[in-house]
Amino acid sequence: GENVEQHPSTLSVQEGDSAVIKCTYSDSASNYFPWYKQELGKRPQLIIDIRSNVGEKKDQRIAVTLNKTAKHFSLHITETQPEDSAVYFCAATVGWGANNLFFGTGTRLTVIP
Amino acid sequence: GAVVSQHPSRVICKSGTSVKIECRSLDFQATTMFWYRQFPKQSLMLMATSNEGSKATYEQGVEKDKFLINHASLTLSTLTVTSAHPEDSSFYICSARTGTGVNQPQHFGDGTRLSIL
Repeated sequence: GENVEQHPSTLSVQEGDSAVIKCTYSDSASNYFPWYKQELGKRPQLIIDIRSNVGEKKDQRIAVTLNKTAKHFSLHITETQPEDSAVYFCAATVGWGANNLFFGTGTRLTVIP
Repeated sequence: GAVVSQHPSRVICKSGTSVKIECRSLDFQATTMFWYRQFPKQSLMLMATSNEGSKATYEQGVEKDKFLINHASLTLSTLTVTSAHPEDSSFYICSARTGTGVNQPQHFGDGTRLSIL
């Protein structure tokens, strides 16, 4: 089955700096890679996603890059703000038409004011 | 749009009780809903995929007789934890997919924190 690894598990940055979270996946058939932000005790919220037919996607301060050959994808947050502090999860689907999302282990991001 | 409502948000009950959790898609039809379990400071683990009008598909290691899933309509799926025990205490989250095609986003409910005494 699919195995998604995520690093680092914790990340602290100064406000205004950039944060990068990296994930690798094992199944080359995976084709959809969403990123979720989860605040303590709340629902995961989709913040950005990328499909396997593109290498990069950007939405304001958030960007995601995908390297299909190396089977890894990354989340980039620029100009971080205290409200970016949360746990971030990457995920991947297994193959075309698959329903299941397999999540990484999460990264706790702390933005220091 | 794409709002998923989950109820109840918190349940505290005695060992041996059965607990039902509801997951509703409020502004869209969801042919597929998913149930996840999350332990403190850990990732979301997929328990089962719930398809409207058919039996749920359970992940390996998840007891289907312990975690009963019913998806009787396009907007409602329920998870019943039968004869719950302290080890079933966890955060349960549902999600619903907004479309029938591949690569459609999943949107999550607020989760249910289940505590079994």
